[in-house]
Amino acid sequence: NAGVTQTPKFQVLKTGQSMTLQCAQDMNHNSMYWYRQDPGMGLRLIYYSASEGTTDKGEVPNGYNVSRLNKREFSLRLESAAPSQTSVYFCASSLIPLGQGTDTQYFGPGTRLTVL
Amino acid sequence: SQQGEEDPQALSIQEGENATMNCSYKTSINNLQWYRQNSGRGLVHLILIRSNEREKHSGRLRVTLDTSKKSSSLLITASRAADTASYFCATGNSGAGSYQLTFGKGTKLSVIP
Repeated sequence: NAGVTQTPKFQVLKTGQSMTLQCAQDMNHNSMYWYRQDPGMGLRLIYYSASEGTTDKGEVPNGYNVSRLNKREFSLRLESAAPSQTSVYFCASSLIPLGQGTDTQYFGPGTRLTVL
Repeated sequence: SQQGEEDPQALSIQEGENATMNCSYKTSINNLQWYRQNSGRGLVHLILIRSNEREKHSGRLRVTLDTSKKSSSLLITASRAADTASYFCATGNSGAGSYQLTFGKGTKLSVIP
């Protein structure tokens, strides 16, 4: 099993450009998440998908959109990138559907994004 | 907003010593989890302790939870250079049909060979 995979690993954008970060998991997990990690800020939840077909906002959703393409894939889109979105982005997944109890989250290796 | 706050922010110890990290949180939780992050990598789950548990062990890891003080501690015994990483606590909250993990800012542990 590859676990949680993310593409690309690194990306540099100019202000105003758009891009999509891809995430896939092969563990048949129900819930998927997108976080951003900034120095001194820990991880902050951007969006999550409790189960296939549903998405919800997290703590910092502004400037982002998501798509739960199927049970395996959850993408994050930046429509018009801003320097404030320079960060490391992590995708995660968990087996138990959100709202049905506690569960471990499994993380991808991250995408390091720089917006100039 | 951050729920868990780790203490200390950074810790440097000699190989073989024990390392203790603390986490405090503010609201009621269902569980508390600890994760490790090696430099430039994703987070890896270490251990989960439920709100009705007081102590849990996993190999060289010992986690305690005191819900009355809203705090948890992670003890790594007989540390190794490979334990050098950042450690995050994450609190599991629930309510209004949603369930999320809220992460603290982490403790950076350096184990000197």
